[in-house]
Amino acid sequence: GAVVSQHPSRVICKSGTSVKIECRSLDFQATTMFWYRQFPKQSLMLMATSNEGSKATYEQGVEKDKFLINHASLTLSTLTVTSAHPEDSSFYICSAPSLQASGEKLFFGSGTQLSVL
Amino acid sequence: DAKTTQPTSMDCAEGRAANLPCNHSTISGNEYVYWYRQIHSQGPQYIIHGLKNNETNEMASLIITEDRKSSTLILPHATLRDTAVYYCSGYFGNEKLTFGTGTRLTIIP
Repeated sequence: GAVVSQHPSRVICKSGTSVKIECRSLDFQATTMFWYRQFPKQSLMLMATSNEGSKATYEQGVEKDKFLINHASLTLSTLTVTSAHPEDSSFYICSAPSLQASGEKLFFGSGTQLSVL
Repeated sequence: DAKTTQPTSMDCAEGRAANLPCNHSTISGNEYVYWYRQIHSQGPQYIIHGLKNNETNEMASLIITEDRKSSTLILPHATLRDTAVYYCSGYFGNEKLTFGTGTRLTIIP
């Protein structure tokens, strides 16, 4: 199956700093990627859809100036958490769709655990 | 995309079949039923998907009712490594996939 690589897997930062998370499709191209956030013991919440060559589409209630998304190439999307605060501490996961012989599937990165002190 | 309803948690004895139900009564005609699972602190893993017919792969079987309003994921011989949160969702290619609350499956030795 296709592979989505997400980096870093864990980051600890001070309040007020910005953190960039990278999501790469390793063996396929992705014009669209999705970013999710997950708090402990909760489900994944879709934050935004990243579109190659155009602006990201944000879900209701997600601040686009807080969570900057850049999809500069067909294999890379980045999420930057700007001026991070403790309430931004969460597990962030990206995904990308890939058409397989058995149909289209979403492949997920391994996630980034962000801890803001 | 379809709203889904799943039991919050289930237990299953190791070696037995685990049957996980999902209600998706609002699924649209072109949406497939997808199942993913998430092992603690990892990204979700694809399990299986189907449209109308029952499907089977090396991981699981998927039984979809004729009216497509519900489905059941079957893990035929559950192992301890199958302990995870299982999510069902309606999905149609390249569109966003949203997750419900999922079922926390615990395999008991």
